[in-house]
Amino acid sequence: DAGVIQSPRHEVTEMGQEVTLRCKPISGHDYLFWYRQTMMRGLELLIYFNNNVPIDDSGMPEDRFSAKMPNASFSTLKIQPSEPRDSAVYFCASSFSVQPQHFGDGTRLSIL
Amino acid sequence: KNEVEQSPQNLTAQEGEFITINCSYSVGISALHWLQQHPGGGIVSLFMLSSGKKKHGRLIATINIQEKHSSLHITASHPRDSAVYICAVPHSGGGADGLTFGKGTHLIIQP
Repeated sequence: DAGVIQSPRHEVTEMGQEVTLRCKPISGHDYLFWYRQTMMRGLELLIYFNNNVPIDDSGMPEDRFSAKMPNASFSTLKIQPSEPRDSAVYFCASSFSVQPQHFGDGTRLSIL
Repeated sequence: KNEVEQSPQNLTAQEGEFITINCSYSVGISALHWLQQHPGGGIVSLFMLSSGKKKHGRLIATINIQEKHSSLHITASHPRDSAVYICAVPHSGGGADGLTFGKGTHLIIQP
């Protein structure tokens, strides 16, 4: 079975540009999570969805960040406008109910 | 919000040694997660446990709910165990929830 699929794997863009990160969860999973990892702050929860509905977005840093899950097989995390401090590795994970989470390979984002 | 503390932050050991990594948290939880992050960056779930002990190969995880403490042990350590080990708990304590993570333990096993 395919795991959680994230795209792109790497993104380099200039400050001020819009960035869209994509995630395809494992089929049948009803929870989807977005995390961010930086050297300074480690791994932190940004937002998570249950059955495509956002449940907790308290970790979304600012209004520049938005996340959507239009259907059970696709989610996006958008940053507009991007800033250098948004540079990080962004992970998507999915799970079925209270089972362990499966992580994607991450998107390494660099904002110049 | 739960706070998670891990120790040690860094650990270097010789092949074959018994390894222990500790994790404590501040708020009661339904389950605790141990994750492994490979040098290439991928994250894998090792254990999810709510009580007692779980074993998978050379890895053993224990949890004491009353003391809000968990340990991850590696027996007969091997260089391929070199990775970052991360303890995580549900953000709000229970159920299917986003995770709050410890800062990780960077483990190096030397041949």
